[in-house]
Amino acid sequence: GAGVSQSPRYKVAKRGQDVALRCDPISGHVSLFWYQQALGQGPEFLTYFQNEAQLDKSGLPSDRFFAERPEGSVSTLKIQRTQQEDSAVYLCASSFQAGGANSPLHFGNGTRLTVT
Amino acid sequence: AQSVTQPDIHITVSEGASLELRCNYSYGATPYLFWYVQSPGQGLQLLLKYFSGDTLVQGIKGFEAEFKRSQSSFNLRKPSVHWSDAAEYFCAVGANSGYALNFGKGTSLLVTP
Repeated sequence: GAGVSQSPRYKVAKRGQDVALRCDPISGHVSLFWYQQALGQGPEFLTYFQNEAQLDKSGLPSDRFFAERPEGSVSTLKIQRTQQEDSAVYLCASSFQAGGANSPLHFGNGTRLTVT
Repeated sequence: AQSVTQPDIHITVSEGASLELRCNYSYGATPYLFWYVQSPGQGLQLLLKYFSGDTLVQGIKGFEAEFKRSQSSFNLRKPSVHWSDAAEYFCAVGANSGYALNFGKGTSLLVTP
């Protein structure tokens, strides 16, 4: 595709529900990142995939957060038993380069999650 | 760990005026430095990056930034601002180990007629 695609665009969940957020990276991009952006803040790193391997998940805030990229393309970020503090925009980014914080990132438009 | 400070939360400039957005970083070695722009409801778009070499880097949309090691700064500049430049601007720093970028809290730019 032309860019990174994320769905859904908006998600409202009741506290305690599970949610799944999808990211379609640019075709052929090796690296995939998830970031969380709270209102009025900069994005914060959650996790990094190189192809299907999750090489860094140090930013995941709790064990309720889980991400996967089983075939090295589409990725899903799952949040179990959502809490109000999970409300944020979840941004996916991809890069043709493998690894490293020197990779220029292509961001999707994000999924805005609101937990009520 | 590396960190980024953007001292200005909001900046207002007149269309056609010059612009400078400040960014200070904290990191022991030479970091990877980026400026991204985010329009409302959109993802982030890369404006420019610095890894090494010439400390003045040119980016898209007429933006440039200068890396100053002595001041730990990477300020973004544009000589003449257009109304379409109104957006949120984020400075980010990456280490030469690890994968994460650390973003500042952003500077919101308002352009007045």
